[in-house]
Amino acid sequence: QSVLTQPPSASGTPGQRVTISCSGSRSNIGNNGVNWYHQLPGTAPKLLIYSDNQRPSGVPDRFSGSKSGTSASLAISGLQSEDEADYYCATWDDSLNGHVVFGGGTKLTVL
Amino acid sequence: EVQLLESGGGLVQPGGSLRLSCGASGFTFSSYAMTWVRQAPGKGLEWVSTIRDSGGSTYYAESVKGRFTISRDTSANTLYLHMNSLRAEDTAVYYCAKSLRSGWVLGLHYWGQGTLVTVSS
Repeated sequence: QSVLTQPPSASGTPGQRVTISCSGSRSNIGNNGVNWYHQLPGTAPKLLIYSDNQRPSGVPDRFSGSKSGTSASLAISGLQSEDEADYYCATWDDSLNGHVVFGGGTKLTVL
Repeated sequence: EVQLLESGGGLVQPGGSLRLSCGASGFTFSSYAMTWVRQAPGKGLEWVSTIRDSGGSTYYAESVKGRFTISRDTSANTLYLHMNSLRAEDTAVYYCAKSLRSGWVLGLHYWGQGTLVTVSS
């Protein structure tokens, strides 16, 4: 059971906008910046969003992040077939002397 | 170019030990926190441990606390994960990762290719 809760699956058609949610608590999302990663099968994860809504260079602006209270969301607009992947949220948790927490992951299917 | 190269994975019996290494290049190793993240077969990402840039602060997941030790050798630009009392549930691909900015723990922008640890008799 992950500390951060994500839906196990999401789907959309090409061109559509989809959102993936990540729910936590005050000690993690409520107090700290959220990251989003995506991962293609057999490859290392890739950072999509950091500090709630910032994109590293090279990440298309189709990807955007937001946060409200103890929940965060990743939005993908103009969905493309290559966006089919697993998506994870992550953040720092202030409890237990501090540690990193990941969400359980969301499998995005492009129909 | 930032490069992270893990090594040391393999097959080990339950209760055994293993040391993973992560060779780093392309950046000032001593200025960045380094992190180990693992992924069991067919499962999601699980944070394992982080060591601050100075090496003075270390953090562990509850699932590995007391069994795993993270360390770094700045002179060799190498990150280590010493794993003892290994269990079947430690079977996973282990990734080392580096944050986007100095001083940060998260924002893991650079990842190695991973090394597979299999704990089985």
